Amino acid sequence: SQQGEEDPQALSIQEGENATMNCSYKTSINNLQWYRQNSGRGLVHLILIRSNEREKHSGRLRVTLDTSKKSSSLLITASRAADTASYFCATEIAGFKTIFGAGTRLFVKA
Amino acid sequence: ETGVTQSPTHLIKTRGQQVTLRCSSQSGHNTVSWYQQALGQGPQFIFQYYREEENGRGNFPPRFSGLQFPNYSSELNVNALELDDSALYLCASSRGQGVITEAFFGQGTRLTVV
Repeated sequence: SQQGEEDPQALSIQEGENATMNCSYKTSINNLQWYRQNSGRGLVHLILIRSNEREKHSGRLRVTLDTSKKSSSLLITASRAADTASYFCATEIAGFKTIFGAGTRLFVKA
Repeated sequence: ETGVTQSPTHLIKTRGQQVTLRCSSQSGHNTVSWYQQALGQGPQFIFQYYREEENGRGNFPPRFSGLQFPNYSSELNVNALELDDSALYLCASSRGQGVITEAFFGQGTRLTVV
């Protein structure tokens, strides 16, 4: 089964609104990363948060990490049509393995 | 562009055949990971190579094997292809074992097994 599970599976919002995606995982992690993928192409790294960090910001992105609940959230503020993509969380666990969730498909309507 | 290139971009093979996919790492990166992504799913970790040695493996059978070369480029070999092997294969390079850093992905190879 997947280490990371994203929620919701799909999200449709209007341009200018905020989008929030959640990720839950099962085992202890070294770090957690969020990636974006457009139309089945390569993944683009968005942000990395270490296991001892609680929140990070990058431009319009805000990521939180709650290791006690084994969960993370990605907030995209003031969304744009170009943000339409699939978003994945990836957890790095012991044994140099990176485990991806099934992703959230975000659709931003212009 | 990430500097990670994969070849070929698309490939069609027949069940039972063997296939080799190639990946060149971003300059300065000595770690390469390979992933299989089925349609509508997240990438599944196949294995990781660090300085030419496999140092992590996911739940894939031995017919999935790999190599990393002294210049840190890499190959993924799949023997005895099955229909379920049809997927997007992604490689990612990063700066090193034990270094918490982002991975840079190539655009992938779309493999279709018929």
